Amino acid sequence: DTAVSQTPKYLVTQMGNDKSIKCEQNLGHDTMYWYKQDSKKFLKIMFSYNNKELIINETVPNRFSPKSPDKAHLNLHINSLELGDSAVYFCASSFLAGGPYEQYFGPGTRLTVT
Amino acid sequence: AQSVSQHNHHVILSEAASLELGCNYSYGGTVNLFWYVQYPGQHLQLLLKYFSGDPLVKGIKGFEAEFIKSKFSFNLRKPSVQWSDTAEYFCAVTMNTGFQKLVFGTGTRLLVSP
Repeated sequence: DTAVSQTPKYLVTQMGNDKSIKCEQNLGHDTMYWYKQDSKKFLKIMFSYNNKELIINETVPNRFSPKSPDKAHLNLHINSLELGDSAVYFCASSFLAGGPYEQYFGPGTRLTVT
Repeated sequence: AQSVSQHNHHVILSEAASLELGCNYSYGGTVNLFWYVQYPGQHLQLLLKYFSGDPLVKGIKGFEAEFIKSKFSFNLRKPSVQWSDTAEYFCAVTMNTGFQKLVFGTGTRLLVSP
């Protein structure tokens, strides 16, 4: 009964390729997030969607494009991958209205760009 | 911009030693405070949170934290650590205004030797 799941868990690809990471939550939350954890373990938010609407869009290269087909899913597509995109990408989810609330994190996707 | 500081980057303790990890944030408004733990190779798990009320909060696995508003601090404590507490610990805040964007500290790597 995984709460927040991500696929794939590991992704190794070459520079210039395009790749996608998928996230799904079964907690009934209405808000989902993407965070990036760099090689020094620093975590930074990238995007957030509430009920399929983009509500947080941090300073991220426009090669990164999130998509939320419904409130239980949030995908991240990355075009023209660069070496600096190598990181662990975490998806999270929570409720929003009437908060505050804690966020529940997925297992992470380790992206390695060679 | 709001930020979170964790002063101890690496901490090494023997089992049964007491633990205190420092966390300070910079934001003048109302904040929500969190401590997350990341065990090796795993996702982030919530240890404890503070939204309002009693500034001394108890979390899972014997951890507690105290919110001191005048010092903008939310230090994490545990009276007696175990080898299984070896992990990375992250302090994080969200602002009461906005969309629950988690702002993380740089993390503290705790190593507990048996």
